[in-house]
Formats: sequence, structure tokens, C-alpha cells
Amino acid sequence: KQEVTQIPAALSVPEGENLVLNCSFTDSAIYNLQWFRQDPGKGLTSLLLIQSSQREQTSGRLNASLDKSSGRSTLYIAASQPGDSATYLCAVRGTGTASKLTFGTGTRLQVTL
Amino acid sequence: SAVISQKPSRDICQRGTSLTIQCQVDSQVTMMFWYRQQPGQSLTLIATANQGSEATYESGFVIDKFPISRPNLTFSTLTVSNMSPEDSSIYLCSVRAGGNEQYFGPGTRLTVT
Repeated sequence: KQEVTQIPAALSVPEGENLVLNCSFTDSAIYNLQWFRQDPGKGLTSLLLIQSSQREQTSGRLNASLDKSSGRSTLYIAASQPGDSATYLCAVRGTGTASKLTFGTGTRLQVTL
Repeated sequence: SAVISQKPSRDICQRGTSLTIQCQVDSQVTMMFWYRQQPGQSLTLIATANQGSEATYESGFVIDKFPISRPNLTFSTLTVSNMSPEDSSIYLCSVRAGGNEQYFGPGTRLTVT
């Protein structure tokens, strides 16, 4: 059974700092990995999708990397802003077209002025 | 991509009653998913709903408690039956578009008193 863990559980940084969020998973047989953002009481916004054959994906100030063999992914946020404050979730999808997403526990990020 | 809407956005219901949540997608999709997010927790998959077939429920979730309809490729409903305070959660509809990326609706915040 796939298990996904995110460290740290919570993080507070001053505006402008670069930061890294970590995600680890127990079963390396994944189809892809997706990072999401969730604002309080809201749905999820997809940030980045990394296929199992890829090493990284970039979107603006966000960069996600994937090391499938070691069961790790990182989300790098450059020059953080108060608007980045949210909970960040990683989710891995198993192999097979009917496979489901398994979510991590999330990292709650607060960017302070 | 896919744009998903859900109704209602929130509701307060009495113990023992039922609530039906609607999910509408702006494009035809094969796979739709229903998730639950209990307070302070990550997301848990309730069931996968494919058009033209019975929904597939995850361990711990049963059709009598969470009946699902999927009448066409753009719409689904989830009913939370005989509610108790433990059913207070955010319920999220999700679709997989293009076979890869998953998108989420804004969620329905349910409070059971």
C-alpha cells in the first residue's frame, strides 16, 4: 500500500525567501506525481505534474523534482510571497489507467511580511 | 484542463438527514472521483465513478451510505445518507483529463449538527 509523507508539516518564512517542501513515497512504481495547493476551506489547485519518466517540471517560481528510485519529490518555491501562503499537497498515482491518487499529509506554509 | 463546479458550496444539516452534492464538468470526462477531507486531514478517496457502470468504492465506504450517480460524461452526484456529526467534512469532486492530470472542484463544506 502506497504511503505518502510530507515534511515539514508546517513552515513559516519571511517574504522573499526561497524554500523547499519535501514529499516521500514508499512504492516507487508510480505513474506520475502531482503537486497541489489548497487555500483554507477551498478545493485543490494543480500546480505541477511530473510523469514518472521526468526528473523535473517548472512553472514560474515553482520547480518540482522527482527521484523515483529513492521515492522522493521536492517542490522549490523561489522568492516567496504572502500570496503563496497555503497548504501544499503532493499526490502520487500508481501504475495502470484505473489507479488512484494517494495524497500526502500536506505542508502548511505561511509567508510573512 | 477541466473546470469543475459543485453545488452546494456549503450546507448545515441535521443528524439523520441526507444531502446530495452535484458535480458539473465543462468537458466530457471518463473518470470522476469523489473525495472526503475531514477537518485537519488530507484527502481520502470515497469512490471512482465511471459513466455507464457502477461506482467503485474504496475500503471503508459503502454504497448505502454514499450512493453515487453518473448519468453522463459531464455530471455526477454524491449523496451522504443518514448523516451523523462524523460526516462533517469537505467533499470534493475530481476528474482526470487527458488521461493524466487530475483537477478538483471547489468542494462542498458539510456540517452536521
